[in-house]
Amino acid sequence: NAGVMQNPRHLVRRRGQEARLRCSPMKGHSHVYWYRQLPEEGLKFMVYLQKENIIDESGMPKERFSAEFPKEGPSILRIQQVVRGDSAAYFCASSPNGQLYEQYFGPGTRLTVT
Amino acid sequence: QQQVKQSPQSLIVQKGGISIINCAYENTAFDYFPWYQQFPGKGPALLIAIRPDVSEKKEGRFTISFNKSAKQFSLHIMDSQPGDSATYFCAALTQGGSEKLVFGKGMKLTVNP
Repeated sequence: NAGVMQNPRHLVRRRGQEARLRCSPMKGHSHVYWYRQLPEEGLKFMVYLQKENIIDESGMPKERFSAEFPKEGPSILRIQQVVRGDSAAYFCASSPNGQLYEQYFGPGTRLTVT
Repeated sequence: QQQVKQSPQSLIVQKGGISIINCAYENTAFDYFPWYQQFPGKGPALLIAIRPDVSEKKEGRFTISFNKSAKQFSLHIMDSQPGDSATYFCAALTQGGSEKLVFGKGMKLTVNP
């Protein structure tokens, strides 16, 4: 059973460009969470999605950030008009139905904004 | 407001020693407390977890101790090995809500050979 997949692993964007981060959950998992990790910091919750639904986006900045988890395909975290402060590691986690507390993390996407 | 406080920030132990990481939480609605291990350049990996109705849980060399009245929990790594060198995060969540994990800031463990 493959783990959570994220791509790209590393992403470099110039200020003002768009960043698209993709996450494929573990097989059979339909719950996806996105977290952001700044250097020397713990992970901070951003958004929780189920297929075609955003359940909780309380940790997501209100501007420039959006997330989706379509019926088919990976979950996408989209950052428009990136700024230097968006540089961080972005992790996706997934959990199975009935065991939402067990979250399994992907390897992360390290975004660098130049 | 930091809801989960973790200490120390870093720890150096000798091979074979005991590593202890402490966490304290504020939100009494938390009802699941996992620990994650993260190696450089990797994602966090679920190590061990406990619920508040249990005071201790042991899996191999890893033990969680839980003190509900004090709102504290700790991870003990027995017989620490160089391969245990990593960053350890405690976390907490409330089930029945959105199950979002609240993480401590992490502790970097170095085990010297």
